[in-house]
Amino acid sequence: AQTVTQSQPEMSVQEAETVTLSCTYDTSESDYYLFWYKQPPSRQMILVIRQEAYKQQNATENRFSVNFQKAAKSFSLKISDSQLGDAAMYFCAYRRSGSSNTGKLIFGQGTTLQVKP
Amino acid sequence: NAGVTQTPKFQVLKTGQSMTLQCAQDMNHNSMYWYRQDPGMGLRLIYYSASEGTTDKGEVPNGYNVSRLNKREFSLRLESAAPSQTSVYFCASSEGTGVIYEQYFGPGTRLTVT
Repeated sequence: AQTVTQSQPEMSVQEAETVTLSCTYDTSESDYYLFWYKQPPSRQMILVIRQEAYKQQNATENRFSVNFQKAAKSFSLKISDSQLGDAAMYFCAYRRSGSSNTGKLIFGQGTTLQVKP
Repeated sequence: NAGVTQTPKFQVLKTGQSMTLQCAQDMNHNSMYWYRQDPGMGLRLIYYSASEGTTDKGEVPNGYNVSRLNKREFSLRLESAAPSQTSVYFCASSEGTGVIYEQYFGPGTRLTVT
């Protein structure tokens, strides 16, 4: 069974600085997708960024980028130029690809990010 | 365009009571999901419906039932609520189960069972 682990329950960053959130996962599959979701205090789940496992190039979305290390099964999220609005809980998630895919997302435990002004 | 809506937003139940959580989407999506979120455990899949007329168990289905009423609506029922079902429940929908399809989440229902 696939598992996703976020070992940092809480992180903090100064406004305008850079922070990296860690995520590791375990799977025996070669084809899958990885995601980072943001959950602000409103509880709304917002997709931040996604990475296809078959792509070597790391995904980037504006100030958000990932460091995907497939062999190490590591998928970290880097937030550059942190803003107060980035304060939220961040979830790493895994989703299998292929014909047996049910659409199920497997989530990590979450990391609460505090942004200090 | 409301996206995914859930009712109610908050609910308190006594042990043994029953209730149904409602979910509706207006994006003409085929697939719908129910997750629960517990502190320190992330979100876990309870049930999902890959398409209208089908439902399947997820990771933690015990104590729950679902109904895919039509393409828009997917309800989650607790027949006899237990304190262990205290959680935040999220409904999500996607165009299909294929991994290219993004899942869109509702605002969640906070349920407390006393």
